[in-house]
Amino acid sequence: DADVTQTPRNRITKTGKRIMLECSQTKGHDRMYWYRQDPGLGLRLIYYSFDVKDINKGEISDGYSVSRQAQAKFSLSLESAIPNQTALYFCATSGGEGRTDTQYFGPGTRLTVL
Amino acid sequence: RKEVEQDPGPFNVPEGATVAFNCTYSNSASQSFFWYRQDCRKEPKLLMSVYSSGNEDGRFTAQLNRASQYISLLIRDSKLSDSATYLCVVISLFGWGKLQFGAGTQVVVTP
Repeated sequence: DADVTQTPRNRITKTGKRIMLECSQTKGHDRMYWYRQDPGLGLRLIYYSFDVKDINKGEISDGYSVSRQAQAKFSLSLESAIPNQTALYFCATSGGEGRTDTQYFGPGTRLTVL
Repeated sequence: RKEVEQDPGPFNVPEGATVAFNCTYSNSASQSFFWYRQDCRKEPKLLMSVYSSGNEDGRFTAQLNRASQYISLLIRDSKLSDSATYLCVVISLFGWGKLQFGAGTQVVVTP
């Protein structure tokens, strides 16, 4: 089984709808991240969390919110989706012994907002 | 100006040849450097860290040039399976959690 899972893997929705993307991990890592990837722009950090009580805004947090329900779960919400939020979204984790800054990514969620 | 810049490519490389490409970063306080590999529509995966003295991992060699603020990746004896997009990642001393990703360099290895 994958260490970092994301649901759904694909989602098409309409402008104005509320969307939640979920991420779960079995790696036991404290740190979790949400990124979006757009062609030509690379990955950009939306939010990150160093533990359950620690939530931080990333580079592009406007229009997004997150919830860290448990160490293993980190969800991303779009309260009112808009077309320019169409992108590939990745969850990632880091932590543990040794190289703690290595990021382990989930398989991604492809979101289309019409 | 982007904090981390890469030539998007594609770099078309005959199988068995050597290819090299760079990544420039603008924050002089950057401390940690990595190369990730991303296959089409898949998640990025760590390829290798980049150490100050340079390092090798099999056919892959990474170099860091702090004076000119760039890192490089060289792939020797290219395989078809090396076809991917290579992402440069930079972490600044004060940017824990704030990894900066380059947009990636596409490499296409041809038979």
